[in-house]
Amino acid sequence: EAGVAQSPRYKIIEKRQSVAFWCNPISGHATLYWYQQILGQGPKLLIQFQNNGVVDDSQLPKDRFSAERLKGVDSTLKIQPAKLEDSAVYLCASSPRDTGTSGSHEQFFGPGTRLTVL
Amino acid sequence: GDSVTQMEGPVTLSEEAFLTINCTYTATGYPSLFWYVQYPGEGLQLLLKATKADDKGSNKGFEATYRKETTSFHLEKGSVQVSDSAVYFCALIFTGGFKTIFGAGTRLFVKA
Repeated sequence: EAGVAQSPRYKIIEKRQSVAFWCNPISGHATLYWYQQILGQGPKLLIQFQNNGVVDDSQLPKDRFSAERLKGVDSTLKIQPAKLEDSAVYLCASSPRDTGTSGSHEQFFGPGTRLTVL
Repeated sequence: GDSVTQMEGPVTLSEEAFLTINCTYTATGYPSLFWYVQYPGEGLQLLLKATKADDKGSNKGFEATYRKETTSFHLEKGSVQVSDSAVYFCALIFTGGFKTIFGAGTRLFVKA
């Protein structure tokens, strides 16, 4: 079974530029997550999708960050314009369990995209 | 508010030493608890989990018990190997999967 795919793996941009990250979850996983992991910290959830609907985006800085999952499969996270403090690894994860159902809701992570903002 | 607190690292041990990485949490309700591991240059991998009080998760010689009375989920291994060198993250996920919180991570170095 293929894992969670992310691209690009690395991206370097200058502040005020735009950037987009792509994620393809494990086949059949309805729940998809985007996390931001700043160096030396744990992952922070930015947004959670159930199919193509948003479950939680309370920690997404909506003035500059946006995310979509139009067909309920792959997803794109965009930053526009980027700031220096956006330098981080952006992780995508998926879960086979639908949000709102019982069970452990373990998440499977992709390799991440390392973003450097200069 | 809800949170996960891990012991600060780095933790440096010699091979075959006993490992404990502390994790405590503050949460309303009864979340599921997880340990994830991140090896150098790789993504996060699930190490073990426990879904209710007194459950013990185990994998690859690692163990952790969900202690509701002390709100803890400490990770232990009886004899570490150099290959266990990694960053370990404690996490909780609330019932229904509506909210996920990770700890800051604890880096482990194991010397030969």
